[in-house]
Amino acid sequence: DAGVTQSPTHLIKTRGQQVTLRCSPKSGHDTVSWYQQALGQGPQFIFQYYEEEERQRGNFPDRFSGHQYPNYSSELNVNALLLGDSALYLCASSFRGAYEQYFGPGTRLTVT
Amino acid sequence: GENVEQHPSTLSVQEGDSAVIKCTYSDSASNYFPWYKQELGKRPQLIIDIRSNVGEKKDQRIAVTLNKTAKHFSLHITETQPEDSAVYFCAARRAGGTSYGKLTFGQGTILTVHP
Repeated sequence: DAGVTQSPTHLIKTRGQQVTLRCSPKSGHDTVSWYQQALGQGPQFIFQYYEEEERQRGNFPDRFSGHQYPNYSSELNVNALLLGDSALYLCASSFRGAYEQYFGPGTRLTVT
Repeated sequence: GENVEQHPSTLSVQEGDSAVIKCTYSDSASNYFPWYKQELGKRPQLIIDIRSNVGEKKDQRIAVTLNKTAKHFSLHITETQPEDSAVYFCAARRAGGTSYGKLTFGQGTILTVHP
């Protein structure tokens, strides 16, 4: 049973560029949430996708956008990258808003 | 919005001792409280959780207690082992409505277990 997977593992981008991160949920899960984890801090909720729609959004600017595909996989897009966007980006999957959320290994984004 | 405070930020214990990490939350509508363990460079791993209709839950050496009146919950690890060394995060989730599914995390506790 495959767990949550994310790609790429690491990414280095320059300020002003755009980035796309990908997530495949755990088998049987249909909901994907994205979190940003800055160094030494707890994960911060970005948004959640269910049935290919954004259902909830945290306090992140419109530069952060996402998408969910019919196979439940999801993408996180960040435009006009800032140095402060450097962080570990985690996705978590769950089943129809069930309590338990399971995290992927994350994508480490470095903006220079 | 929900705010979760976690203490202490660092905790150092000797192998075999107990460790306790405490969290408080602000939103009285929160009804689900998971704990995650994150080892260096790895994903947060769900280790135990508790729902608001339960006061205590145990799983081998770990236990979580919840006091809804005081809006705080705690993680207890007994007979600590060096492999328990990691960063531990508490989180809270509001029941239903527009906050359905969103986890609000504490700042984390770095637990070090010395052999």
